[in-house]
Amino acid sequence: EDQVTQSPEALRLQEGESSSLNCSYTVSGLRGLFWYRQDPGKGPEFLFTLYSAGEEKEKERLKATLTKKESFLHITAPKPEDSATYLCAVQARGFQKLVFGTGTRLLVSP
Amino acid sequence: GAVVSQHPSRVICKSGTSVKIECRSLDFQATTMFWYRQFPKQSLMLMATSNEGSKATYEQGVEKDKFLINHASLTLSTLTVTSAHPEDSSFYICSASIAGLHTGELFFGEGSRLTVL
Repeated sequence: EDQVTQSPEALRLQEGESSSLNCSYTVSGLRGLFWYRQDPGKGPEFLFTLYSAGEEKEKERLKATLTKKESFLHITAPKPEDSATYLCAVQARGFQKLVFGTGTRLLVSP
Repeated sequence: GAVVSQHPSRVICKSGTSVKIECRSLDFQATTMFWYRQFPKQSLMLMATSNEGSKATYEQGVEKDKFLINHASLTLSTLTVTSAHPEDSSFYICSASIAGLHTGELFFGEGSRLTVL
């Protein structure tokens, strides 16, 4: 069974304090690993897709990396507007559905 | 980017009534749409996969007769919660994949919060 585990469950940072979020996964043949941002009461907003180990993608203060067992979302010099829940999901080969982790709730204080 | 619209965003109903939630892809065609449910501080749990013109595929433990899904066109899928009860109160989110796009990305609606009294 495909599984996704995210850590930490919650993270509080000061503005400018860089950190990383972890997503460990097991999947029967990875098609893609996805990162989404979710604000309270809203649907997830797409951030990145990673397809193979060693791949990296960046967007503003966010950088996602992938190995065969886990993915990291690095946040460099975060701002209060980066506060949200970050969700990781995997998609197995041959399937379209996403299996989500429980997310990391990030709070960035000014 | 691809836009998925859900309606209504919030609905409050009495126990025993039925509620319909619409999911529309506004600027693309979606052969497949997915319905997720999310309880407070929990992850998104897939309920069913909806394919245009065919019956939906439900995940284990999801009652087909309770959660009716219709995907009548390439831009519209509906979820009807029949005879809703307080335990059905949740945040329902739909997502869609772009027909012909093989990157696997899913685009999500804004969600619909259902409260059953």
